[in-house]
Amino acid sequence: DTAVSQTPKYLVTQMGNDKSIKCEQNLGHDTMYWYKQDSKKFLKIMFSYNNKELIINETVPNRFSPKSPDKAHLNLHINSLELGDSAVYFCASSHQGDRSYGYTFGSGTRLTVV
Amino acid sequence: AQSVTQLGSHVSVSEGALVLLRCNYSSSVPPYLFWYVQYPNQGLQLLLKYTSAATLVKGINGFEAEFKKSETSFHLTKPSAHMSDAAEYFCAVSGLTGGGNKLTFGTGTQLKVEL
Repeated sequence: DTAVSQTPKYLVTQMGNDKSIKCEQNLGHDTMYWYKQDSKKFLKIMFSYNNKELIINETVPNRFSPKSPDKAHLNLHINSLELGDSAVYFCASSHQGDRSYGYTFGSGTRLTVV
Repeated sequence: AQSVTQLGSHVSVSEGALVLLRCNYSSSVPPYLFWYVQYPNQGLQLLLKYTSAATLVKGINGFEAEFKKSETSFHLTKPSAHMSDAAEYFCAVSGLTGGGNKLTFGTGTQLKVEL
């Protein structure tokens, strides 16, 4: 009955590898997001999809490529991983256009690049 | 553009004492404001939100926040701290960008509760 679920929870990988993180929501929301939380706990939005359409694309290296096969799923693929990519990545979902709604977050994926 | 500033990256209180976590906002449109809590190794959980109804908003776990337009503030309070309140707290403001509902977060305040 998890509302927003991310897999995997932990990911340890070597520099230069390619990895993916998956996210699924069962709340019926139409918009999903990826946020990056750095070691200082700062949260920064990366991408947002509404009904499979990319609507927010912040300044993120093009090694990061989101994909949304449907409105309940949003995946994040990262090519050529670098040490600086180590962070916690959070998926979230909400309703587009409703600023009062807030987000529901997943429990995060802790990515460690060695 | 919207932004929030959280004063104090670390706050320490004694168990049973008042908790006050500060948040000031900047918004070019009427703001919608949120407080989230993050327990260690967990995701963010919504504590409460202001959406232009009542200025005093009550949330979960005994927390509340008051929206003060004149001070552009949305401070989070709890009358009596409990050990279980130790966590990271984030203030956030909601804005619209390119049709999307975008939450912009403050830098967070780590709350420590001591015996």
